[in-house]
Amino acid sequence: AQTVTQSQPEMSVQEAETVTLSCTYDTSESDYYLFWYKQPPSRQMILVIRQEAYKQQNATENRFSVNFQKAAKSFSLKISDSQLGDAAMYFCAYRSAGVSNYQLIWGAGTKLIIKP
Amino acid sequence: DTGVSQDPRHKITKRGQNVTFRCDPISEHNRLYWYRQTLGQGPEFLTYFQNEAQLEKSRLLSDRFSAERPKGSFSTLEIQRTEQGDSAMYLCASSLVQYNEQFFGPGTRLTVL
Repeated sequence: AQTVTQSQPEMSVQEAETVTLSCTYDTSESDYYLFWYKQPPSRQMILVIRQEAYKQQNATENRFSVNFQKAAKSFSLKISDSQLGDAAMYFCAYRSAGVSNYQLIWGAGTKLIIKP
Repeated sequence: DTGVSQDPRHKITKRGQNVTFRCDPISEHNRLYWYRQTLGQGPEFLTYFQNEAQLEKSRLLSDRFSAERPKGSFSTLEIQRTEQGDSAMYLCASSLVQYNEQFFGPGTRLTVL
C-alpha cells in the first residue's frame, strides 16, 4: 500500500522569504501523480501544483515549485516570496496512474505560518 | 458560483441519529469522490463514483455509511446510527475522467454529541 509522510507538523517563515515543505512517499509503482494542496483556515482545499512521475522536469507554478526526486521518493514544495495569503495547511497527496485507482492518498499536513 | 457545493456546511446531531449530506459537483464532472478529514489529519478516501456507478469503497466505509449518485449528478452520503467517532469534516470532490485534478467543496462538518 502507498503511504505519504509529511514530517513537519508546522513551519514558519518571514514574509517575502522562501520556505520548503517536505514530503516523502512509499510506493512500488513506477507511474503515479503527486500533488500539493492548500487548505486555508475554514476554506476549501485547492490544488497548488502537480507532478507526473514520468516527467523529469520539476513542476513550477508562479512562486511555487517542487523538487521531485523519484529515486529518493521525495517531493518537496518550495514557496518563494512568501505572502500572508500563503498561510494555510499544506497537504501532499499521491495518486496511482492505474486505470482502476483514482483515490488520493494524503499526508498529515504541514501548517504554514507567515510572519509579517 | 460553479464550483463544488456541499450542504449543509455544519451538522450537529445526537448519537444514534441518522444524517445525510449532499454534494453537487461541478457541472459535467463525471467523477465524484467522498473523503473524511479529522482534525489535524489529511483526508481519508471513502468512496468514488463514475457517473452513477459506485466503483470503489474504502474499508473505512462501514455498513452504517451509504452513498448514492442516482442520476450521475449530485451525490448523497448517509450515516446511520451516528457515533461520536463519526465527528469529522466530510469532503466532496469532483473531476473529469481525462484530468487528474480533483476540485473540492467546502466540506460538511459533522459533530456527534
